[in-house]
Formats: sequence, structure tokens, C-alpha cells
Amino acid sequence: QTVVTQEPSLTVSPGGTVTLTCASSTGAVTSDYSPNWFQQKPGQAPRALIYATTKRHSWTPARFSGSLLGGKAALTLSGVQPEDEAEYYCLLYFDILQVFGGGTKLTVL
Amino acid sequence: QLQLQESGPGLVKPSETLSLTCTVSGGSLSSSGYYWAWIRQPPGQGLEWIGTFNYGGNTYYNPSLKRRVTISVDTSKNHFSLNLRSVSAGDTATYYCARRARSTGSYAFWGQGTLVTVSS
Repeated sequence: QTVVTQEPSLTVSPGGTVTLTCASSTGAVTSDYSPNWFQQKPGQAPRALIYATTKRHSWTPARFSGSLLGGKAALTLSGVQPEDEAEYYCLLYFDILQVFGGGTKLTVL
Repeated sequence: QLQLQESGPGLVKPSETLSLTCTVSGGSLSSSGYYWAWIRQPPGQGLEWIGTFNYGGNTYYNPSLKRRVTISVDTSKNHFSLNLRSVSAGDTATYYCARRARSTGSYAFWGQGTLVTVSS
């Protein structure tokens, strides 16, 4: 069974920088897995932030960036705002199989 | 603007079939270049991909659910459906429908989700 792992929780100060990662049980994550990142706030549907590892949607603030880091997919938030407090999920594509990570609860404190 | 809206019973008995519909407005299920999916989220837990189809007739299911799941489409009504058979309490979740563009691989559009509880 393919498992995608994220940090369960992270805390960052307003204005700070934080990196969330997304690892695969199958080995190093590459761009072939087309990493996606989503933000979800309580009571809301997920909102797409990043696709194809690094690409931002038109509505994604520039402070969000995607990359590959040490064999994992990564989402970096620079200049964190209070409204960035949310759950963040990554999604990896394994051919026809799609697997979400368990999510990272980001607290802005 | 594309909108997706899930509908169906909010309560299903154990061992019965969960049936949901996703109605699409502002776009067509017949358009090429898109995949349509069901994704669920148990209360307080993460997201789980259930299955995906495209207009070309290709349908893919999560292997963990494949024995119990059928996704079907009615292009005349511009909606698609989820049937999940033999449900148990573990199938209690908010069920979302979503659209992914082939060009981006991104689920950019989601319905608001509908909570389905499995309980007698």
C-alpha cells in the first residue's frame, strides 16, 4: 500500500517562513508524481494552491511556492499571514493511483 | 463559472448502498481534457481519492474501494454519480466531487461537499 506522509503539525510566527514536506513510501518524490498542494480551512472544501510541483494557480498568493527538497515535495510559505492558518494536503500521482498525504495542520502563532 | 454540487441522503444504514450525485453547472461533462472525481474525508481526518473518470470512458478506482464502488455519468443531465456498496461506519465522511484538468493535473474545482453518516 502506497503511503504519503506529511508533518502532522507545524507552528510559525506571523511574517515567518515555514516549509511543509510530502514524502512517499515508494521512494524519492520526483516531478513525475506531479505533486499538488491544497489548503483547507474548517468547514470548507479544499482549495488548490500548487500543481505540477511548482506551478501556482492564478489565485495562489506569491508567498506560496512549491519545490522538490531532499527527495520530498515541499510547500514553502514566506511571509506567513494569520489567514494562512489551515490544514495543508499534498497529492501525488502514481500512474492511475492518486494518494493524498495525511495533512499538516499549520498554526500561525 | 464552473460549479459542482453534491446531493444525496445524509444517512445510510450499514450494509446498504450509498448513492450520491454531482451536478455540474457552468461547464459540460462532455468536454474533453477533464477528469471528474469523487474524493472523501472522514470527520477530522484526511482526504481519500475514491475514483476518477473522463468523457473518453476511462474510469479509475482506488484499489482499496474498487470492489464496492461504481462511478457513472449521465451527460444528458450533466451529472455523475457515486455508488458505494455494503457500507459500514468507516464510510462515514464528507464526500466531494471535483474536476481535474488534464493539462495541469490539478483539482482546481470542488463541490462544497456533503456529509454522509452510516448508522442504523
